[in-house]
Amino acid sequence: SAVISQKPSRDICQRGTSLTIQCQVDSQVTMMFWYRQQPGQSLTLIATANQGSEATYESGFVIDKFPISRPNLTFSTLTVSNMSPEDSSIYLCSVGSFGNEQFFGPGTRLTVL
Amino acid sequence: TQLLEQSPQFLSIQEGENLTVYCNSSSVFSSLQWYRQEPGEGPVLLVTVVTGGEVKKLKRLTFQFGDARKDSSLHITAAQPGDTGLYLCAGGNNDYKLSFGAGTTVTVRA
Repeated sequence: SAVISQKPSRDICQRGTSLTIQCQVDSQVTMMFWYRQQPGQSLTLIATANQGSEATYESGFVIDKFPISRPNLTFSTLTVSNMSPEDSSIYLCSVGSFGNEQFFGPGTRLTVL
Repeated sequence: TQLLEQSPQFLSIQEGENLTVYCNSSSVFSSLQWYRQEPGEGPVLLVTVVTGGEVKKLKRLTFQFGDARKDSSLHITAAQPGDTGLYLCAGGNNDYKLSFGAGTTVTVRA
């Protein structure tokens, strides 16, 4: 399975600012995914980020709020823009593999004051 | 959106006891995964089941996929404190996206 790292691991931000989260994979992968997770809760898919195409967003998530970059097969970024306290959450990236399996990074814990 | 319902939501047991977590849906999935997540970490894949009626064992963990590929169960025998965590089931189809259940928080007391 791929080894996935995320930066930062946690951050505390002021409302109205933006934070960019990085996701680095140790091998080339086609499919990457970004999720949001409230502590102790399940995962909600934000978008699918495939290299060479625009990210595909799920219902309730828009590009202006969560712009995503996917410059190559090992890296992606998610920006949380114009943050409010409601954006406080854990943000996870994952990579897709054979048979619908996904492997996750350690997550970024975001607190917005 | 295909919904997966997990039960129970919370489970607290004594070390050495057995436990079962259920994952049910009205939709058919081509595959179903179980993940365990510990605080401060991302979910870790435990198993993937793809065939209706399939049973897989991973040491003290037994996973079963329903005959109709709509439901699954996770059984842990002689639970240990190291089994503590959030257990998530996730169903997948041909679009490579996963639908996650709400999760079951398992606490095993020493």
